[in-house]
Amino acid sequence: NAGVTQTPKFQVLKTGQSMTLQCAQDMNHEYMSWYRQDPGMGLRLIHYSVGAGITDQGEVPNGYNVSRSTTEDFPLRLLSAAPSQTSVYFCASGGQGNYGYTFGSGTRLTVV
Amino acid sequence: KNEVEQSPQNLTAQEGEFITINCSYSVGISALHWLQQHPGGGIVSLFMLSSGKKKHGRLIATINIQEKHSSLHITASHPRDSAVYICAVMKGGGSEKLVFGKGTKLTVNP
Repeated sequence: NAGVTQTPKFQVLKTGQSMTLQCAQDMNHEYMSWYRQDPGMGLRLIHYSVGAGITDQGEVPNGYNVSRSTTEDFPLRLLSAAPSQTSVYFCASGGQGNYGYTFGSGTRLTVV
Repeated sequence: KNEVEQSPQNLTAQEGEFITINCSYSVGISALHWLQQHPGGGIVSLFMLSSGKKKHGRLIATINIQEKHSSLHITASHPRDSAVYICAVMKGGGSEKLVFGKGTKLTVNP
């Protein structure tokens, strides 16, 4: 049982490049979400999904796109990377009913 | 003002001490979560609370809905408890959005 698998673990991008952060879970959770963590700011919600075909914006959605075509996968796309998107990104699933969240191991992204 | 405030920001304790971390929030919530972030960066969910008290091993979490306050207690602290502890609330009213405190960095010295 892998839980939440997040890839890649590290990435360096040039300004203007695009990329996709992958997130997959095998727990059949309906709820999945993406966060960024910056020093002094704590974790902030980027986008979330309550099920396949349903997504919504969080606190800091600008510059990011998501889609949810299956229950298992919830990729995060950076359309045109900017230095302000340098951060550590976490994907999580679960959190509904009486269950807590399961987090991926994180992606450290640097935009130069 | 942040919707979720944690105190203290940093906490240093000696092994064996009883530890309390506080979380206050200013919005209506459907649930409150306590998370632990290890020095290596991984995040683990410790508790999800909507009322009362929960206990898991040496960790106890309480919530007072009327006072909009939650506490995380660690009994008989150990150096392996050193981590950042994060409070997060799921806003009520049908929202599915988590809002986080900035975390409390705990260091337990042997």
